Amino acid sequence: AQTVTQSQPEMSVQEAETVTLSCTYDTSESDYYLFWYKQPPSRQMILVIRQEAYKQQNATENRFSVNFQKAAKSFSLKISDSQLGDAAMYFCASTSGSRLTFGEGTQLTVNP
Amino acid sequence: GAVVSQHPSRVICKSGTSVKIECRSLDFQATTMFWYRQFPKKSLMLMATSNEGSKATYEQGVEKDKFLINHASLTLSTLTVTSAHPEDSSFYICSASLGLGSTDTQYFGPGTRLTVL
Repeated sequence: AQTVTQSQPEMSVQEAETVTLSCTYDTSESDYYLFWYKQPPSRQMILVIRQEAYKQQNATENRFSVNFQKAAKSFSLKISDSQLGDAAMYFCASTSGSRLTFGEGTQLTVNP
Repeated sequence: GAVVSQHPSRVICKSGTSVKIECRSLDFQATTMFWYRQFPKKSLMLMATSNEGSKATYEQGVEKDKFLINHASLTLSTLTVTSAHPEDSSFYICSASLGLGSTDTQYFGPGTRLTVL
C-alpha cells in the first residue's frame, strides 16, 4: 500500500523567514507525481506545487520550492519569505494511478 | 482556470433523511471525479472514484448503498448520503481531474459540511 508520512504535525515560522516542511513517501509505482496542497481555515484545498517523479529538477513556484530526493523517497517543501497568508494546513500527496494518497498534514503558523 | 464548485456549502438534516451534494467542474471537462471525507484536524480520506458514464469505484470500508455516487456528465458528479445518521456528520470534499491517470492533477471543490441531527 502507498503511504505518505509527514512527521511534523505543527510548525511555526516568523514572517519573512524560511521554513521547510518534511514529507516522505513509499510507493511501488515507477511513474508517479508528488504534490503539496494547502488548506487554509476556509478548508479549500489549494494546489501549491507539483513534481513529476521522472524529473530530477526540483519544482519551484515563486516563493515555494521542493527538495525532491527520489532515492530517499523524500519530498520537502520550502517556503521562503513567509507571509501571514501562508498560515494553513499543508498536505503532501503522491499518486497511485489516478488516486491520491495524502499525508496527515502539517499545521503551519506564521508569527508576525 | 480549473475551478470546481460544490453545493451546498453547509447542510443540516434530520437523522434518517437523504442529502445530495453536487460537485461541478466549471471550466473544464472532468473525466474523473473523486469524493473525500475529512474529519476535524485530520487528512482527507478517499471514499470513491467516479468516471463519467460508469459506476463509481468505492474504497474498502465505504458502503456503496449508503453513499450513492452519480457521474452523469463531464461536469457534474453527485454524492447522496442515504438515511443519514449522526455518525455521517463530516466535511465532504470533491475533486475533479481530466482523467489522465497518474499524470493528472486533482482540483478540489470548497467542501460541504454535513451535520446530521
